[in-house]
Amino acid sequence: SQQGEEDPQALSIQEGENATMNCSYKTSINNLQWYRQNSGRGLVHLILIRSNEREKHSGRLRVTLDTSKKSSSLLITASRAADTASYFCASGGGADGLTFGKGTHLIIQP
Amino acid sequence: DSGVTQTPKHLITATGQRVTLRCSPRSGDLSVYWYQQSLDQGLQFLIQYYNGEERAKGNILERFSAQQFPDLHSELNLSSLELGDSALYFCASSLAGSREKLFFGSGTQLSVL
Repeated sequence: SQQGEEDPQALSIQEGENATMNCSYKTSINNLQWYRQNSGRGLVHLILIRSNEREKHSGRLRVTLDTSKKSSSLLITASRAADTASYFCASGGGADGLTFGKGTHLIIQP
Repeated sequence: DSGVTQTPKHLITATGQRVTLRCSPRSGDLSVYWYQQSLDQGLQFLIQYYNGEERAKGNILERFSAQQFPDLHSELNLSSLELGDSALYFCASSLAGSREKLFFGSGTQLSVL
């Protein structure tokens, strides 16, 4: 079963614009992670935010976490064509394993 | 390159057959995870091993089994294959547990005809 669900399912923006995608999860978490997947390839870890953190930055990425709403958001600023990919949030761990949502497919138009 | 090696990259087989997928984790990683990705089900967690022992179990069918060997490589065995088992199977590894970041292999594309 999916622990997290990303929203929107798909997003198309112009190069240079910011992209925001959201993730909702079901149970309490220790941390939440975001991954990127280029078409048909393995997932690549982007950023991990712990349950006691509210915001975290890594380069052009900004992640927020609201544990009261069981939600997180990933913001990619100044998007580039190379950011075209699917983005997944992952949460859980422990006996149920780390589970992923169905992802947001991001398309950056040149 | 994530450091996680999966073989084979592609596998084509027939219904009813049995296949074995292999994964070598990053050097030093003790945990190995198996995921199945398909268009309709998304990325499904199958099973996790830590240092040779099963640590967590997800939506793994009874026809599927896995193990992690003393050298820490892992194998996923899929038997009595059905058309619906066609998917991309990923292995991932982490230093210890699933509350850390995972490093994914490039996957094995399984086609059941």
